[in-house]
Amino acid sequence: QSVLTQPPSVSGAPGQRVTISCTGSSSNLGAGYDVHWYQQLPGTAPKLLIYGNNNRPSGVPDRFSGSKSGTSASLAISGLQAEDEADYYCQSYDSSLSGYVFGTGTKVTVL
Amino acid sequence: EVQLVESGGGLVQPGGSLRLSCAASGFTFSSYRMNWVRQAPGKGLECVSYISPSSSSIYYADSVKGRFTISRDNAKNSLFLQMDSLRAEDTAVYYCAREGPMGNYFDYWGQGTLVTVSS
Repeated sequence: QSVLTQPPSVSGAPGQRVTISCTGSSSNLGAGYDVHWYQQLPGTAPKLLIYGNNNRPSGVPDRFSGSKSGTSASLAISGLQAEDEADYYCQSYDSSLSGYVFGTGTKVTVL
Repeated sequence: EVQLVESGGGLVQPGGSLRLSCAASGFTFSSYRMNWVRQAPGKGLECVSYISPSSSSIYYADSVKGRFTISRDNAKNSLFLQMDSLRAEDTAVYYCAREGPMGNYFDYWGQGTLVTVSS
């Protein structure tokens, strides 16, 4: 079950900046648990994009950045490129479920 | 290079069983918590189970509790998911995922194996 809410879709022209929100509650983001972000290109497995709220794994371009405040988090993609067209998921830990939870997912379209 | 390769998926009738395997390489398998994450067709991601390095701590999502059993063989660098009493709603791609060194996130994923539950 998805307890983290994301917008179904966002879009932008090449070169633009887009942001994806992730809204949780007092048992996950609001409890201080970190948020992480994944990119899933069509037909492939998810790939870790941001961990620990705002850290990029090696190889992830610095066009991707993350932030978290209270019960909300966001992923920003600056200088949008055609290859950024994918589904994006946020993820955290939920203390009431005692397990990991994912966001509902956001499809990014490059116009 | 870290590699996770799942196998064992396929078509099974409702009420049937299936055993998924994940072969790990390129890292010290026995040091990491491992997870099974699934994705139903056209849907989002769901963490169904995880297991600690020594198998002492195990989690199941409510949706699979009592029907799925996770296990690991550290000597063979392998992760397993025994799925019993399968339902149509278990139809999904099942991914094996390694938990990152700092915990609570998934830093490497396999390519996934498709499980279809249908008569």
